[in-house]
Amino acid sequence: EPEVTQTPSHQVTQMGQEVILRCVPISNHLYFYWYRQILGQKVEFLVSFYNNEISEKSEIFDDQFSVERPDGSNFTLKIRSTKLEDSAMYFCASSEAPGQHEQYFGPGTRLTVT
Amino acid sequence: AQSVTQPDIHITVSEGASLELRCNYSYGATPYLFWYVQSPGQGLQLLLKYFSGDTLVQGIKGFEAEFKRSQSSFNLRKPSVHWSDAAEYFCAVGSGYSTLTFGKGTMLLVSP
Repeated sequence: EPEVTQTPSHQVTQMGQEVILRCVPISNHLYFYWYRQILGQKVEFLVSFYNNEISEKSEIFDDQFSVERPDGSNFTLKIRSTKLEDSAMYFCASSEAPGQHEQYFGPGTRLTVT
Repeated sequence: AQSVTQPDIHITVSEGASLELRCNYSYGATPYLFWYVQSPGQGLQLLLKYFSGDTLVQGIKGFEAEFKRSQSSFNLRKPSVHWSDAAEYFCAVGSGYSTLTFGKGTMLLVSP
Protein backbone atom coordinates (compact mmCIF):
# COMPACT_ATOMS: atom_id res chain seq x y z
CA GLU A 1 0.00 0.00 0.00
CA PRO A 2 1.43 3.41 -0.92
CA GLU A 3 2.44 5.59 1.99
CA VAL A 4 3.89 8.98 2.82
CA THR A 5 7.45 8.83 4.07
CA GLN A 6 9.39 11.41 6.04
CA THR A 7 13.05 11.87 6.84
CA PRO A 8 14.68 12.15 9.23
CA SER A 9 12.60 10.61 11.97
CA HIS A 10 14.34 12.78 14.56
CA GLN A 11 16.33 15.96 14.05
CA VAL A 12 18.20 17.82 16.75
CA THR A 13 19.43 21.30 15.96
CA GLN A 14 20.71 24.38 17.73
CA MET A 15 18.69 27.55 17.97
CA GLY A 16 19.28 29.80 14.97
CA GLN A 17 20.20 26.97 12.62
CA GLU A 18 18.34 26.15 9.44
CA VAL A 19 16.61 22.80 9.11
CA ILE A 20 15.01 21.06 6.17
CA LEU A 21 12.42 18.39 6.77
CA ARG A 22 11.77 16.06 3.89
CA CYS A 23 8.71 14.22 2.75
CA VAL A 24 7.89 11.92 -0.13
CA PRO A 25 4.13 12.11 -0.77
CA ILE A 26 2.13 9.35 -2.43
CA SER A 27 3.05 9.40 -6.09
CA ASN A 28 -0.31 10.22 -7.71
CA HIS A 29 -1.31 12.81 -5.12
CA LEU A 30 -1.43 16.46 -6.08
CA TYR A 31 -1.98 18.24 -2.78
CA PHE A 32 0.58 18.38 -0.04
CA TYR A 33 0.42 19.61 3.54
CA TRP A 34 2.52 20.22 6.61
CA TYR A 35 1.16 20.04 10.14
CA ARG A 36 2.90 20.23 13.45
CA GLN A 37 2.17 18.95 16.93
CA ILE A 38 3.88 20.53 19.90
CA LEU A 39 4.21 18.03 22.74
CA GLY A 40 0.94 17.74 24.61
CA GLN A 41 -0.95 19.99 22.20
CA LYS A 42 -3.18 19.47 19.21
CA VAL A 43 -2.09 18.87 15.65
CA GLU A 44 -1.99 22.25 13.88
CA PHE A 45 -2.18 23.04 10.18
CA LEU A 46 0.81 24.91 8.77
CA VAL A 47 0.51 25.03 4.99
CA SER A 48 -0.98 23.38 1.93
CA PHE A 49 0.67 23.27 -1.48
CA TYR A 50 -0.67 22.61 -4.94
CA ASN A 51 0.64 23.14 -8.43
CA ASN A 52 3.96 24.44 -7.11
CA GLU A 53 2.50 27.14 -4.97
CA ILE A 54 1.08 27.63 -1.51
CA SER A 55 -2.71 27.22 -1.42
CA GLU A 56 -3.31 28.09 2.20
CA LYS A 57 -1.18 28.85 5.21
CA SER A 58 -1.86 29.42 8.86
CA GLU A 59 -0.64 32.28 11.00
CA ILE A 60 2.02 29.94 12.35
CA PHE A 61 3.61 29.75 8.90
CA ASP A 62 5.55 33.02 9.02
CA ASP A 63 8.56 34.19 7.03
CA GLN A 64 10.82 31.73 8.82
CA PHE A 65 9.07 28.87 7.06
CA SER A 66 9.12 27.90 3.41
CA VAL A 67 8.05 24.90 1.39
CA GLU A 68 9.31 23.55 -1.86
CA ARG A 69 8.82 20.69 -4.25
CA PRO A 70 12.36 20.52 -5.62
CA ASP A 71 11.72 17.55 -7.87
CA GLY A 72 8.93 15.20 -8.85
CA SER A 73 8.89 13.29 -5.60
CA ASN A 74 10.08 15.33 -2.62
CA PHE A 75 8.22 17.97 -0.65
CA THR A 76 10.28 19.92 1.88
CA LEU A 77 9.67 22.23 4.80
CA LYS A 78 12.47 24.64 5.62
CA ILE A 79 12.78 26.56 8.85
CA ARG A 80 15.29 29.31 8.25
CA SER A 81 16.37 30.16 11.80
CA THR A 82 14.98 27.75 14.35
CA LYS A 83 13.65 28.85 17.72
CA LEU A 84 13.11 26.81 20.84
CA GLU A 85 9.37 26.97 20.28
CA ASP A 86 9.75 25.25 16.91
CA SER A 87 10.39 22.01 18.76
CA ALA A 88 7.53 19.75 17.71
CA MET A 89 6.53 16.74 15.66
CA TYR A 90 6.10 17.76 12.05
CA PHE A 91 3.75 15.73 9.89
CA CYS A 92 3.60 15.75 6.13
CA ALA A 93 0.39 14.70 4.39
CA SER A 94 -0.83 14.34 0.84
CA SER A 95 -4.17 13.90 -0.87
CA GLU A 96 -5.54 13.39 -4.36
CA ALA A 97 -7.65 16.50 -4.02
CA PRO A 98 -8.46 19.04 -1.30
CA GLY A 99 -11.42 19.13 1.01
CA GLN A 100 -13.29 15.91 1.46
CA HIS A 101 -10.57 13.67 0.18
CA GLU A 102 -8.57 11.81 2.75
CA GLN A 103 -5.23 13.25 3.71
CA TYR A 104 -2.61 10.53 4.14
CA PHE A 105 -0.11 11.31 6.85
CA GLY A 106 3.52 10.35 7.20
CA PRO A 107 5.03 9.10 10.46
CA GLY A 108 6.40 12.51 11.35
CA THR A 109 9.76 14.11 12.08
CA ARG A 110 10.46 15.01 15.67
CA LEU A 111 12.37 18.31 15.69
CA THR A 112 14.22 19.23 18.86
CA VAL A 113 15.72 22.71 19.05
CA THR A 114 18.28 23.20 21.82
CA ALA B 1 -13.39 29.80 12.71
CA GLN B 2 -13.80 26.06 12.96
CA SER B 3 -12.83 24.21 16.12
CA VAL B 4 -12.96 20.71 17.56
CA THR B 5 -13.36 19.72 21.18
CA GLN B 6 -12.49 16.31 22.54
CA PRO B 7 -13.47 16.58 26.19
CA ASP B 8 -11.73 13.42 27.37
CA ILE B 9 -7.93 13.50 27.54
CA HIS B 10 -7.64 9.88 28.71
CA ILE B 11 -10.09 7.01 28.70
CA THR B 12 -9.49 3.53 30.11
CA VAL B 13 -11.65 0.67 28.87
CA SER B 14 -11.52 -3.02 29.68
CA GLU B 15 -10.76 -5.33 26.81
CA GLY B 16 -14.02 -6.53 25.29
CA ALA B 17 -16.02 -3.59 26.61
CA SER B 18 -17.66 -1.01 24.40
CA LEU B 19 -16.09 2.34 23.65
CA GLU B 20 -17.36 5.81 22.87
CA LEU B 21 -15.03 8.74 22.28
CA ARG B 22 -16.64 12.15 22.20
CA CYS B 23 -16.09 14.88 19.64
CA ASN B 24 -17.87 18.21 19.28
CA TYR B 25 -17.17 20.60 16.46
CA SER B 26 -17.88 24.18 15.57
CA TYR B 27 -18.18 25.00 11.89
CA GLY B 28 -20.38 27.38 9.99
CA ALA B 29 -21.29 25.16 7.08
CA THR B 30 -21.80 21.46 6.53
CA PRO B 31 -18.64 19.93 7.95
CA TYR B 32 -16.37 17.26 6.63
CA LEU B 33 -15.55 15.17 9.71
CA PHE B 34 -12.76 12.68 10.28
CA TRP B 35 -11.43 10.39 12.97
CA TYR B 36 -7.73 9.55 12.91
CA VAL B 37 -5.76 7.17 15.11
CA GLN B 38 -2.11 7.52 16.05
CA SER B 39 -0.15 4.62 17.47
CA PRO B 40 3.20 5.37 19.14
CA GLY B 41 5.84 6.25 16.56
CA GLN B 42 3.32 6.11 13.75
CA GLY B 43 1.62 8.70 11.60
CA LEU B 44 -2.06 9.50 11.66
CA GLN B 45 -4.23 6.81 10.11
CA LEU B 46 -7.75 7.59 8.95
CA LEU B 47 -10.42 5.49 10.67
CA LEU B 48 -13.48 6.97 9.00
CA LYS B 49 -14.92 10.10 7.48
CA TYR B 50 -18.28 11.83 7.05
CA PHE B 51 -19.09 14.09 4.13
CA SER B 52 -22.83 13.78 3.61
CA GLY B 53 -25.63 11.24 3.46
CA ASP B 54 -26.06 8.52 6.05
CA THR B 55 -25.20 9.93 9.45
CA LEU B 56 -23.82 6.62 10.71
CA VAL B 57 -20.52 5.87 9.04
CA GLN B 58 -18.50 2.70 9.22
CA GLY B 59 -14.75 2.69 9.29
CA ILE B 60 -11.83 0.35 9.53
CA LYS B 61 -11.01 -1.90 12.48
CA GLY B 62 -14.68 -2.17 13.49
CA PHE B 63 -15.14 1.52 14.34
CA GLU B 64 -18.18 3.60 13.55
CA ALA B 65 -19.21 7.17 14.16
CA GLU B 66 -22.49 9.02 14.16
CA PHE B 67 -22.93 12.58 12.94
CA LYS B 68 -25.53 14.49 14.94
CA ARG B 69 -26.02 17.94 13.52
CA SER B 70 -28.32 19.07 16.34
CA GLN B 71 -25.61 18.31 18.88
CA SER B 72 -22.64 19.28 16.69
CA SER B 73 -21.15 15.93 17.57
CA PHE B 74 -19.34 13.14 15.78
CA ASN B 75 -18.71 10.49 18.42
CA LEU B 76 -16.61 7.43 17.68
CA ARG B 77 -17.79 4.02 18.85
CA LYS B 78 -16.66 0.43 18.90
CA PRO B 79 -18.75 -2.40 20.39
CA SER B 80 -15.82 -4.46 21.69
CA VAL B 81 -12.37 -3.03 22.27
CA HIS B 82 -9.20 -5.03 21.62
CA TRP B 83 -5.86 -4.43 23.33
CA SER B 84 -4.43 -3.35 19.96
CA ASP B 85 -6.85 -0.40 19.93
CA ALA B 86 -4.79 1.36 22.58
CA ALA B 87 -3.65 4.55 20.86
CA GLU B 88 -4.42 8.23 20.61
CA TYR B 89 -7.55 9.21 18.70
CA PHE B 90 -8.05 12.53 16.98
CA CYS B 91 -11.24 14.05 15.66
CA ALA B 92 -10.87 16.59 12.87
CA VAL B 93 -13.05 18.89 10.83
CA GLY B 94 -12.19 19.84 7.27
CA SER B 95 -12.98 23.04 5.49
CA GLY B 96 -14.12 22.93 1.92
CA TYR B 97 -10.64 23.48 0.66
CA SER B 98 -7.78 21.88 2.48
CA THR B 99 -7.31 22.73 6.15
CA LEU B 100 -7.93 20.09 8.77
CA THR B 101 -8.57 21.36 12.27
CA PHE B 102 -7.85 18.75 14.91
CA GLY B 103 -8.99 18.24 18.46
CA LYS B 104 -6.45 17.72 21.22
CA GLY B 105 -6.88 13.97 21.07
CA THR B 106 -8.05 11.27 23.45
CA MET B 107 -5.61 8.67 24.70
CA LEU B 108 -7.26 5.27 24.91
CA LEU B 109 -5.87 2.79 27.40
CA VAL B 110 -7.11 -0.80 27.32
CA SER B 111 -6.97 -2.81 30.52
CA PRO B 112 -6.90 -6.63 30.55
